[in-house]
Amino acid sequence: QVQLVQSGAEVKKPGASVKVSCKASGYTITTYYMHWVRQAPGQGLEWVGIINPTGTGTTYAEKFRGRVTMTRDASTSTVYMELSSLRSEDTGVYFCARDGGSGWGHFDYWGQGTLVTVSS
Amino acid sequence: EIVLTQSPGTLSLSPGERATLSCRASQSVSSSYLAWYQQKPGQAPRLLIYGASSRATGIPDTFSGSGSGTDFTLTISRLEPEDFAVYYCQQYGSSPRTFGQGTKVEIK
Repeated sequence: QVQLVQSGAEVKKPGASVKVSCKASGYTITTYYMHWVRQAPGQGLEWVGIINPTGTGTTYAEKFRGRVTMTRDASTSTVYMELSSLRSEDTGVYFCARDGGSGWGHFDYWGQGTLVTVSS
Repeated sequence: EIVLTQSPGTLSLSPGERATLSCRASQSVSSSYLAWYQQKPGQAPRLLIYGASSRATGIPDTFSGSGSGTDFTLTISRLEPEDFAVYYCQQYGSSPRTFGQGTKVEIK
């Protein structure tokens, strides 16, 4: 069965970077796009961006452009999201979610989420 | 950017009752690329409906989706105790993908 397992919670200081991982199993990672979604405490869902199956193409939401980098390692079936220049407003839970289509699909499987806390 | 507005913000109902949730888009959603997700506290969202009206795998037929263009509806025909949660609509036909702000279905 498809599973997305994310790395554990992180606490970072303002200005630092964080790298969150999402390990996929139950399917071939090189055949599906992957999204990242953020949820601030008590708030709704916000799309961060998408990486293509080969890891050679990414699209980021304008809000995160210049601070976010998505990569993937096919050998370990893992996708990564790195966010730099962290500020307190970046505090939240970050989810990876598989694209059920060809880059323009619904999000059919989700990771359990990774809490990132930015605090001095 | 397509803005999705969900109403009502909170729906207070009893088990067994029917729930009707609305999602209105600021512009037409391409090819009915509209999904609904359910989220419970401390959990990841779960896909319920995609393509405006197709149920995801394992989703009971008490959940149904309808609509096209700019107006979409999620209906829960008979609320079970486990259905009390927050529901989000999402459009995935244009970039950036966007979500509605959510509707909380709570026990009356």
